Amino acid sequence: RKEVEQDPGPFNVPEGATVAFNCTYSNSASQSFFWYRQDCRKEPKLLMSVYSSGNEDGRFTAQLNRASQYISLLIRDSKLSDSATYLCVVHPGGYNKLIFGAGTRLAVHP
Amino acid sequence: EAQVTQNPRYLITVTGKKLTVTCSQNMNHEYMSWYRQDPGLGLRQIYYSMNVEVTDKGDVPEGYKVSRKEKRNFPLILESPSPNQTSLYFCASGTSYNEQFFGPGTRLTVL
Repeated sequence: RKEVEQDPGPFNVPEGATVAFNCTYSNSASQSFFWYRQDCRKEPKLLMSVYSSGNEDGRFTAQLNRASQYISLLIRDSKLSDSATYLCVVHPGGYNKLIFGAGTRLAVHP
Repeated sequence: EAQVTQNPRYLITVTGKKLTVTCSQNMNHEYMSWYRQDPGLGLRQIYYSMNVEVTDKGDVPEGYKVSRKEKRNFPLILESPSPNQTSLYFCASGTSYNEQFFGPGTRLTVL
């Protein structure tokens, strides 16, 4: 079983749609959680951290459910510029590293 | 401009020919790391460094070496590249592992 699992997609949505990505992680001792965004053939960039209480940044909302070991990212009012791959990232605790999911691809069309 | 740079950006080489991919950051970060990215597998950590002269293996270190003689540089060395090392490589740096800034990537093909 992979340490971080994501639906690979692609998610094809029209502009203005709301889309949700899910991610599960296997290590219950994981301490920190993030969403990174990766444009095609580019480097990953931090989109947002995920806090236990949930957090929002403009059109983006991240949620964490520790009991279910589940993380989500909600994008409201999708823009063409949101088209990218979204990486779920977990710090497993006790290790000096991050574990990256394989990513979920989003394609927003006019 | 704060950035992580990698060179070369693209490289085609042959099996067994030693190569080095350089990585440099200008943000005075202590933490640096190398990843490879393959389709369906996501980013996998090769090696990381917590500070100068402190390096440690990641999840897929076989066939790679690194060194951290200066804070800003963290080269990745392939002593005898093989075709299964064909991949997209990213260097990253950060004040810790928690927020990492990535370089633009190096696409390596080993024939």
